[in-house]
Amino acid sequence: GNSVTQMEGPVTLSEEAFLTINCTYTATGYPSLFWYVQYPGEGLQLLLKATKADDKGSNKGFEATYRKETTSFHLEKGSVQVSDSAVYFCALTGGSYIPTFGRGTSLIVHP
Amino acid sequence: DTGVSQNPRHKITKRGQNVTFRCDPISEHNRLYWYRQTLGQGPEFLTYFQNEAQLEKSRLLSDRFSAERPKGSFSTLEIQRTEQGDSAMYLCASSFDSSAYNEQFFGPGTRLTVL
Repeated sequence: GNSVTQMEGPVTLSEEAFLTINCTYTATGYPSLFWYVQYPGEGLQLLLKATKADDKGSNKGFEATYRKETTSFHLEKGSVQVSDSAVYFCALTGGSYIPTFGRGTSLIVHP
Repeated sequence: DTGVSQNPRHKITKRGQNVTFRCDPISEHNRLYWYRQTLGQGPEFLTYFQNEAQLEKSRLLSDRFSAERPKGSFSTLEIQRTEQGDSAMYLCASSFDSSAYNEQFFGPGTRLTVL
């Protein structure tokens, strides 16, 4: 079956540092890939997505590239802010319409 | 507010009681999903509806769990004879379109505590 593996957290950074959160996946066929973010006390919301190989999703300074050869979809941001502190979930959906989420990676950004 | 809403936000119950949660999706969305999320884990898919049809229910955790979406609008998730292991956050999400690739919009969740 499908699976998503994310790096363990928490990831602790200082403001303006570079962020990478690794995500790799196992899936049959050609899934779509997503990053969701959950801010404290709020529901999950879509951050970005990519629907085919080599697509780059981007939003709010975050980027992730769909790498089929390495089955990866790593999340990056060049300069994090305190307001980026949240839990980030990598996810995929395929032809079965059943979404699969990773365990989530907590990001803590200090001033 | 036109987002996904869930009620109640918190539910405390005693073991063995039945509980029911409600989800109101975004009005034009035809798909509705239920998930369970435990501490330190990502959302775990339970079931989903396309309009009023429940298209996947094999992932419901046991026969104590059931879901309905009678008119293709709001949905309910019921847990019968609750157990302490049912304590978790129950999430609802909705989406539109026949594609698997569209964005899901999540509600704030219902936190269940079983004593």
